Amino acid sequence: GESVGLHLPTLSVQEGDNSIINCAYSNSASDYFIWYKQESGKGPQFIIDIRSNMDKRQGQRVTVLLNKTVKHLSLQIAATQPGDSAVYFCAENMNYGGSQGNLIFGKGTKLSVKP
Amino acid sequence: DSGVTQTPKHLITATGQRVTLRCSPRSGDLSVYWYQQSLDQGLQFLIQYYNGEERAKGNILERFSAQQFPDLHSELNLSSLELGDSALYFCASSVGLGADTQYFGPGTRLTVL
Repeated sequence: GESVGLHLPTLSVQEGDNSIINCAYSNSASDYFIWYKQESGKGPQFIIDIRSNMDKRQGQRVTVLLNKTVKHLSLQIAATQPGDSAVYFCAENMNYGGSQGNLIFGKGTKLSVKP
Repeated sequence: DSGVTQTPKHLITATGQRVTLRCSPRSGDLSVYWYQQSLDQGLQFLIQYYNGEERAKGNILERFSAQQFPDLHSELNLSSLELGDSALYFCASSVGLGADTQYFGPGTRLTVL
């Protein structure tokens, strides 16, 4: 994906290993969280989301964990594949009571998978 | 393919000019969002429209404006362009008004020379 900022955190993993990407969100009033994957030259692609009434949600090869106490979100990717190489963003939506849906994005983490 | 389309894919223009970026949301989605992605600011929310009405504003400059038409497509107008406006501009859409999965288009890369 596009490099976001001059100092994008990078995670390098071996193919087949599990990956964990972490994100600290900013607002305790946020109640909806999304992980996106952005490959080079493409728009952000939805991976998985979670609402604040849950601690964990699983998808296909991905799991999102939410810790509201410390405002922390993590994305776990099982059996990481070369095609998982991309920049990963977490995003949050504050609780506007359903009146608006704009997302606040984190800076992103670049995942590099070694074959 | 997210189902969100954006045109043009690339745009090169000069300072002081005006450009229009176009977005068609996924079928059935009523909300359209515009985001700007630059190297130093990351992905920043600009504006949200829902069913033709402006619903939320973020870090959108006064030189920028947007609208959503009755057929739900949206246009982002950027005027008096400056070098710093060079960025990727993404449109996203979602079904509802509030917190909901947003699907992003492929983006328009704007280069201001």
